[in-house]
Amino acid sequence: GAGVSQSPSNKVTEKGKDVELRCDPISGHTALYWYRQSLGQGLEFLIYFQGNSAPDKSGLPSDRFSAERTGGSVSTLTIQRTQQEDSAVYLCASIQRGGYSTDTQYFGPGTRLTVL
Amino acid sequence: AQTVTQSQPEMSVQEAETVTLSCTYDTSESDYYLFWYKQPPSRQMILVIRQEAYKQQNATENRFSVNFQKAAKSFSLKISDSQLGDAAMYFCAYRTTGNQFYFGTGTSLTVIP
Repeated sequence: GAGVSQSPSNKVTEKGKDVELRCDPISGHTALYWYRQSLGQGLEFLIYFQGNSAPDKSGLPSDRFSAERTGGSVSTLTIQRTQQEDSAVYLCASIQRGGYSTDTQYFGPGTRLTVL
Repeated sequence: AQTVTQSQPEMSVQEAETVTLSCTYDTSESDYYLFWYKQPPSRQMILVIRQEAYKQQNATENRFSVNFQKAAKSFSLKISDSQLGDAAMYFCAYRTTGNQFYFGTGTSLTVIP
């Protein structure tokens, strides 16, 4: 595709519900990141996938958060039993080669999650 | 843990003038990458410029340049000949050898016509 896409662009849910956020990286990109951006804050690293390696989950804030990447391409971030503090913009980014290189990180437009 | 600090929540600059955005970071690593990203109201994060820590020469991309002071752990962004389209949030970011990215809280830049 032309760029990283994310869906939905906006999601409103009720407290306690589960939500799934989707990220379609640029075709051929091996590395994928999820970030959370709360209002007025910078980006908070959540999870990092690199090829077939085990993901780096060190940024996930609680066990209500999980993510998977199927077939080395599309990724889904799942938030279970959503809380109001989960309200934020969730951004996805992909990198062509990943690893420790100078490759550019390409971001999607984000999903704005609102938990009522 | 790495931290990235942007001490200027808001900045403004007159069109065609020059502005410098500040960024400091804390790390124990000797090799790393630093980045400046731009986020306009569309939310789309765009890479502005990057710097490899092992390079002493400051990176430059057209009107954008950095002042990288490794010993001081400082990485400021200079925007020359500011244009209306430069108005956005600017984030400084640090990439670890473990491929994690740490971002500052951002500086909102206003360009005054």
